[in-house]
Amino acid sequence: EAGVVQSPRYKIIEKKQPVAFWCNPISGHNTLYWYRQNLGQGPELLIRYENEEAVDDSQLPKDRFSAERLKGVDSTLKIQPAELGDSAVYLCASSLGLGVTDTQYFGPGTRLTVL
Amino acid sequence: GENVEQHPSTLSVQEGDSAVIKCTYSDSASNYFPWYKQELGKRPQLIIDIRSNVGEKKDQRIAVTLNKTAKHFSLHITETQPEDSAVYFCAASMNGNQFYFGTGTSLTVIP
Repeated sequence: EAGVVQSPRYKIIEKKQPVAFWCNPISGHNTLYWYRQNLGQGPELLIRYENEEAVDDSQLPKDRFSAERLKGVDSTLKIQPAELGDSAVYLCASSLGLGVTDTQYFGPGTRLTVL
Repeated sequence: GENVEQHPSTLSVQEGDSAVIKCTYSDSASNYFPWYKQELGKRPQLIIDIRSNVGEKKDQRIAVTLNKTAKHFSLHITETQPEDSAVYFCAASMNGNQFYFGTGTSLTVIP
């Protein structure tokens, strides 16, 4: 079974530039999460989707961040414009979406460096 | 919202010794507690989890205990090996929805 796929793995951009990250969850997984992980810290949730619906985006900085999951499968996370403080690893994760017994699987992440 | 605290932030043990990492949580409604291992530059990997209807779970050299009354749970690694060296994260979740992560413990196993 293929795991969660993310691309690109690394991205270096200058501040004020836009950037986009892509995630393909495990087949059949209804729930998709985007996390940001700063160096030496645990992942922090940005947004959670149940199928194509964003059910928790309270931690997403909506002035510059946006996300979509149009057909309830792949998802894209965008930052426009990027700031120096956005440098981090952006992790995508997915789970079946069954509730208590749900196990969350992470992708390899995209390491973003903003210069 | 939920607040998860994790201790210690760094831990060094001799190969063969045991390692214990502790987490506390604040929301009594949390009922699912996974532990992840993250090697440098790699994705977090689930190593063990426990649900609120269970007090202890063991998988070979790894065990997790949960004290719902005190709202804390711990990871125990016995007979540590150099390949156990990594950062370990605990997390708390209610019904597998939003996951709140601890700040991580960097474990070093000294050969």
